[in-house]
Amino acid sequence: AQKVTQAQTEISVVEKEDVTLDCVYETRDTTYYLFWYKQPPSGELVFLIRRNSFDEQNEISGRYSWNFQKSTSSFNFTITASQVVDSAVYFCALTGNTGGFKTIFGAGTRLFVKA
Amino acid sequence: DAGITQSPRHKVTETGTPVTLRCHQTENHRYMYWYRQDPGHGLRLIHYSYGVKDTDKGEVSDGYSVSRSKTEDFLLTLESATSSQTSVYFCAISGDYQETQYFGPGTRLLVL
Repeated sequence: AQKVTQAQTEISVVEKEDVTLDCVYETRDTTYYLFWYKQPPSGELVFLIRRNSFDEQNEISGRYSWNFQKSTSSFNFTITASQVVDSAVYFCALTGNTGGFKTIFGAGTRLFVKA
Repeated sequence: DAGITQSPRHKVTETGTPVTLRCHQTENHRYMYWYRQDPGHGLRLIHYSYGVKDTDKGEVSDGYSVSRSKTEDFLLTLESATSSQTSVYFCAISGDYQETQYFGPGTRLLVL
């Protein structure tokens, strides 16, 4: 069975602090895909990044960076110099290639960035 | 932004009544999904479709049925709504199963 764990339910930081959101996954698939989504207070779900299991390169996009480590089954997300607009719920998700290609989401981490 | 709309956006209904939610896409994507979002659970897959008339169950499919008679429309039906089905429902689309899913704006359903 597939599982995605986001152990941090809520995180509160002060603006300009760096923050890392943890994501640990379980799957028996050899090919799988990992995603991060952002859900701001307005409620929509915004795609941030997709990574396949064969690509362990870390990714940086502006203030956002992602660290994918197959050895520890983790796909962590770091925001550098956080801003109030980063306040949102962040979801990590996993899609495998067996069992009907179903996607499993973590429970989400709510990030509060205070001015 | 992907062209995905959901209707209605808000609905209040009573226990035991049937409810149908509609997802419409203009992207001609093959895959469509219905999720529900509840506090502490993230998003959970209800049903998904991989083509016209091709559907499969997700992890929380009990009490729900779906239909897809056209590529662009994916309907979610609660045959007899219960209070436990009060939730926010999101539709998503993707070109293929491994591709990024793009989400609609959501439907907030309250079952009294």
